[in-house]
Parts: sequence; structure tokens; C-alpha cells
Amino acid sequence: AQSVAQPEDQVNVAEGNPLTVKCTYSVSGNPYLFWYVQYPNRGLQFLLKYITGDNLVKGSYGFEAEFNKSQTSFHLKKPSALVSDSALYFCAVRDRGRGSTLGRLYFGRGTQLTVWP
Amino acid sequence: ETGVTQSPTHLIKTRGQQVTLRCSSQSGHNTVSWYQQALGQGPQFIFQYYREEENGRGNFPPRFSGLQFPNYSSELNVNALELDDSALYLCASSLDSGITDTQYFGPGTRLTVL
Repeated sequence: AQSVAQPEDQVNVAEGNPLTVKCTYSVSGNPYLFWYVQYPNRGLQFLLKYITGDNLVKGSYGFEAEFNKSQTSFHLKKPSALVSDSALYFCAVRDRGRGSTLGRLYFGRGTQLTVWP
Repeated sequence: ETGVTQSPTHLIKTRGQQVTLRCSSQSGHNTVSWYQQALGQGPQFIFQYYREEENGRGNFPPRFSGLQFPNYSSELNVNALELDDSALYLCASSLDSGITDTQYFGPGTRLTVL
């Protein structure tokens, strides 16, 4: 079965400092991995995805993520955090099984990022 | 904004009632997926519709049902509401049902069951 884990419920960082939001995954076969962000009372916004190729994926709003197959990780990063980056971040993995579960996303529990001025 | 819209924004129902939630997919997208997000949790997959057919289902009871229309908009119906059905319901549309297709989410419908 596919699953993701986000080991930190909260991450706090000062504005201008680099940020990392961690994600590890468990899949059978090659993983398809996604990051989404959720602002209060809003739906999920797509940030980036890893399908294949370069292990460093660049996404929206200056975010990037590093895929590490040996560590089964897909950590989200940004070189310089902004106060406006404060939000709830979700890592997700795509189901690669057959039949009725194909296509579903499995989400982690989310990590609340707070960037203080 | 993704172009995916949902209605209503908020809804309050009582136990045992039925509810219908609506989703309009992004232009050109033929696949809609529905998720339930309970407070403090990540979204949980309910089901997916591809070209008007159910294309996959998560671990939700049959009282959760859906439809997709020829214009690819979709409905989620929940019968015999229970307190635990209180959650944010998210729909997501994608260009196709392929495994690499990105799902783009709407703003959600907040359902409260009293």
C-alpha cells in the first residue's frame, strides 16, 4: 500500500531563512510524489510534483523539492522564507495499483509552517 | 485560482439528512476526484469520476455516491448523515485520469452535521 509520512506537525522559521518541510514515502514501484499547500479556509494549491528525471524539482512560489530514492524522501525546500509562506503543507503520493485505486492521492497529515517576521 | 469551483461554501445539516455537494471542473478537464478532509487530517479519497463513470473508490460506505455530467461537472451525495461526516469536502479536477496528471483542487465545501 502507498503511504506518506510527515514527521513534523509544525515547522517554525524566521523570514529570510531557508525552510525545509519533510516527507517520507512508502510505495511499491516508482513513486509519483506531490506537494500541495493549504491556506486557511481554502482548498489545496498544487506546488510541484516528481514523476521521473532530475531529483530536484522546481515548483511555484520559489519552492523546490528533492527526491531521494535511497532515503525514500521528498522534502520541500525554499532558500528564503516569506511570512506569506505560512500555511499548511501536504505531501502526497499517487497510487500506482490496478483497478479501483488507480489515480487516488494518499496524503500525509500535513505540516503547519509558520514564518515569523 | 485553479478554475475549480464548489458549491455551497458552507452547509449545516442534522443527523439522518441527505446532502448534495457540487463541483465544476476546470475547463478541458474530464476527471473529477472527491476527498474528505476531517479537522487536523489530510484529505482522504472518496471516489473518482472519469467521463461520467466511477473510476475508483476509497474506503467509504455506499451512502456516499456521486455523479458526473456530460459537461464533466460532478455531484457528491451523502445519505443518512452521521456526525463523523462533518468535514471539508474537496473536489479536484484533472486533465485526464492518467497517473501523472495533476489534480487541481477547488476551495471546498465545509459540511457540519449536528
